[in-house]
Amino acid sequence: GEDVEQSLFLSVREGDSSVINCTYTDSSSTYLYWYKQEPGAGLQLLTYIFSNMDMKQDQRLTVLLNKKDKHLSLRIADTQTGDSAIYFCAEIRDNQGGKLIFGQGTELSVKP
Amino acid sequence: DAGVIQSPRHEVTEMGQEVTLRCKPISGHNSLFWYRQTMMRGLELLIYFNNNVPIDDSGMPEDRFSAKMPNASFSTLKIQPSEPRDSAVYFCASSNRGLGQFFGPGTRLTVL
Repeated sequence: GEDVEQSLFLSVREGDSSVINCTYTDSSSTYLYWYKQEPGAGLQLLTYIFSNMDMKQDQRLTVLLNKKDKHLSLRIADTQTGDSAIYFCAEIRDNQGGKLIFGQGTELSVKP
Repeated sequence: DAGVIQSPRHEVTEMGQEVTLRCKPISGHNSLFWYRQTMMRGLELLIYFNNNVPIDDSGMPEDRFSAKMPNASFSTLKIQPSEPRDSAVYFCASSNRGLGQFFGPGTRLTVL
């Protein structure tokens, strides 16, 4: 189908790791992205991964890509209360124009 | 780098009035996107431009919505006449090919 799928909610304790999962649809997507949206703000580009990579690490963030299963995950190590937000995964649908297809977003709640 | 600039940040208007939202993309970006976000429908792509040319306007909900991009540094989204169901946060984003979209802070529109 056309949809990028994410679970809607995730709750973790401060200091634990968070793993947010996403399944995408187009095996030819060259880039996949993670965005973060804090309350009242726009979407902030967190990280992206090129489709020929399996993993990308950036400080506390680790992105894993399983192309066979079209599965993307974002792991946040040592989750902090400031990480509470909605996280969107997205796949690129038009390499020239940059059109993205977004998932519905996962609301991460971090409890102290 | 100022990022994507949107104005106004908040707009309250009465049903039937014309509303114009404005966006200045990041300098050098060749694509511009207009989104609408609501609790009920999530994030919806309304229209996007590549090199100032509209590429896909299939997300524009009705003829009351129109968008223009007269040059590489400016775009408008107009709603005429506005209705209460148009109340939402409208985001503008820009990108440079596959390197991810960068979002503005959004315009919160309330139509009474």
